[in-house]
Amino acid sequence: DQQVKQNSPSLSVQEGRISILNCDYTNSMFDYFLWYKKYPAEGPTFLISISSIKDKNEDGRFTVFLNKSAKHLSLHIVPSQPGDSAVYFCAARISSSSNTGKLIFGQGTTLQVKP
Amino acid sequence: EAGVVQSPRYKIIEKKQPVAFWCNPISGHNTLYWYLQNLGQGPELLIRYENEEAVDDSQLPKDRFSAERLKGVDSTLKIQPAELGDSAVYLCASSLTRANEQFFGPGTRLTVL
Repeated sequence: DQQVKQNSPSLSVQEGRISILNCDYTNSMFDYFLWYKKYPAEGPTFLISISSIKDKNEDGRFTVFLNKSAKHLSLHIVPSQPGDSAVYFCAARISSSSNTGKLIFGQGTTLQVKP
Repeated sequence: EAGVVQSPRYKIIEKKQPVAFWCNPISGHNTLYWYLQNLGQGPELLIRYENEEAVDDSQLPKDRFSAERLKGVDSTLKIQPAELGDSAVYLCASSLTRANEQFFGPGTRLTVL
């Protein structure tokens, strides 16, 4: 049962353009969503997050949008840079007190930004 | 500030052999996590510690996997005996208690032959 899904295994965009990475979830108990970025041979690095009570959070070139009714979130990167090429993981946190801190990860989307 | 440290970075063993992974979390982080990441998948939680107490080990295959976090700082994850299907990357992460953001180490890539 995949509670967090990233249906696009890969995405390729031109430098300077917008990158849009998508994530769908099924569990209404998720109260917090995070995006992680992972380079080869490194661990995932936190990128940006959003609480379930908000619909948008922006940090520099990165913006995360949350559509609770559709159980969908997206990460926008504008403008995309070659250094953004990495695997991006969407993660969701369960709000149950007994599971505080537990993250459920999607399968990841490999972004390639071409110069 | 030093990040999460893991060792070894790579390990190759034959099936049925034991193996252990070590993790040193960020100083001051009370919560420590061990994740398993299979190729092409996202990390999956194996066990979570609050200080020295394992508060969520529901996904840990207890017949062959064990973990400990003595003194609430460093942690060790052990597999005995290893099976071919255990080949994966084992990630350690840490966070402040009840914090949203988890900080990951570089992982240990295990290959079981």
